[in-house]
Amino acid sequence: DTGVSQDPRHKITKRGQNVTFRCDPISEHNRLYWYRQTLGQGPEFLTYFQNEAQLEKSRLLSDRFSAERPKGSFSTLEIQRTEQGDSAMYLCASSLAGGLNYGYTFGSGTRLTVV
Amino acid sequence: LAKTTQPISMDSYEGQEVNITCSHNNIATNDYITWYQQFPSQGPRFIIQGYKTKVTNEVASLFIPADRKSSTLSLPRVSLSDTAVYYCLVTGAGNMLTFGGGTRLMVKP
Repeated sequence: DTGVSQDPRHKITKRGQNVTFRCDPISEHNRLYWYRQTLGQGPEFLTYFQNEAQLEKSRLLSDRFSAERPKGSFSTLEIQRTEQGDSAMYLCASSLAGGLNYGYTFGSGTRLTVV
Repeated sequence: LAKTTQPISMDSYEGQEVNITCSHNNIATNDYITWYQQFPSQGPRFIIQGYKTKVTNEVASLFIPADRKSSTLSLPRVSLSDTAVYYCLVTGAGNMLTFGGGTRLMVKP
């Protein structure tokens, strides 16, 4: 296992289109997190799963955003009707539940550009 | 949630020791102090974590005074490849990581 994988690395889409990103966590990690990062800012928490259950969602996660982790393994983040303000780096991380916070392993992210 | 304050940016030269201080006046008894490093177009990477006094690993040292209201990340003999953003985080075990703006370290030749 080489770490957290995210696909695609880059995505350019037209405003109004739907996009879906995929995250494959470290296999033994039962927690999976989605963060969003805009230029010059630190990552902002969006949502997290423990196994297949989505346990918390940030207020940043509008109705146009939906995340799933159907079998407690990989996760998808979908953005419907994209807006220019959605342009950002979307980061996925995984960890073991209850572990110390150094247990977070981040992927390299998906950079979304909405034109 | 304890808020952290750290310098927006710092400059250094290769071979120097760099100290980045973070203040966290409202740290709770059960909170740990954790530092992450982020290179452009990559996700953050764990550097070091501590609760009190001093912690050292192969990458850095973390100094935490007795009142725990601040901490200092020390990077010995930096190189150009240490140019990155460094985040100081305070959180309890199992809680969500909450990032601030970080410190942009530029190492010059």
